[in-house]
Amino acid sequence: AQKITQTQPGMFVQEKEAVTLDCTYDTSDQSYGLFWYKQPSSGEMIFLIYQGSYDEQNATEGRYSLNFQKARKSANLVISASQLGDSAMYFCAMREGDDKIIFGKGTRLHILP
Amino acid sequence: DTEVTQTPKHLVMGMTNKKSLKCEQHMGHRAMYWYKQKAKKPPELMFVYSYEKLSINESVPSRFSPECPNSSLLNLHLHALQPEDSALYLCASSLQGGPGLGTEAFFGQGTRLTVV
Repeated sequence: AQKITQTQPGMFVQEKEAVTLDCTYDTSDQSYGLFWYKQPSSGEMIFLIYQGSYDEQNATEGRYSLNFQKARKSANLVISASQLGDSAMYFCAMREGDDKIIFGKGTRLHILP
Repeated sequence: DTEVTQTPKHLVMGMTNKKSLKCEQHMGHRAMYWYKQKAKKPPELMFVYSYEKLSINESVPSRFSPECPNSSLLNLHLHALQPEDSALYLCASSLQGGPGLGTEAFFGQGTRLTVV
């Protein structure tokens, strides 16, 4: 069964606009971690932001913020003031158990000039 | 320093060859991972080493053989691969397992493997 769901295969956004990338997850664990990664066409996976299941505040890192709604099991990534360099594949991921990190199918984000 | 170094960056090998992929980190991380990523797909977990011991093998065929010689190094030995094994192989490391802060994984730039 799919544990991480990203429903937007692709998105087109005008430069300087904010964008929200959706992610829902499924777990029976009480303690878990959620991550977002960016993968440009070069292939490297760049860690963006982390949210712990017990964190009461939404995580923020510069232009990235995570809209964490625990009851709905959603962890959406918000990118403010998008830039051309934000064009990439974005993956939502979850740490399952102690050692396993699993990924959603990803969202391809295109920033338009 | 959040660097995970993978070599080589590109590899072309025949189906009868034996080759190895290497991964190195000097961040004191205790968990190291191998992922396989096909084009336009998410990374798929292959192996996890925790404190230099193999903790997860996701039913990977035996033609892939991982090795963790010490806490900084992770190898993936390849033998008798098939063309469908062509993919981007990503190595990652994290400070520790568990869901708390410091458990995010940092990735290397990957090895693009082509099996001919």
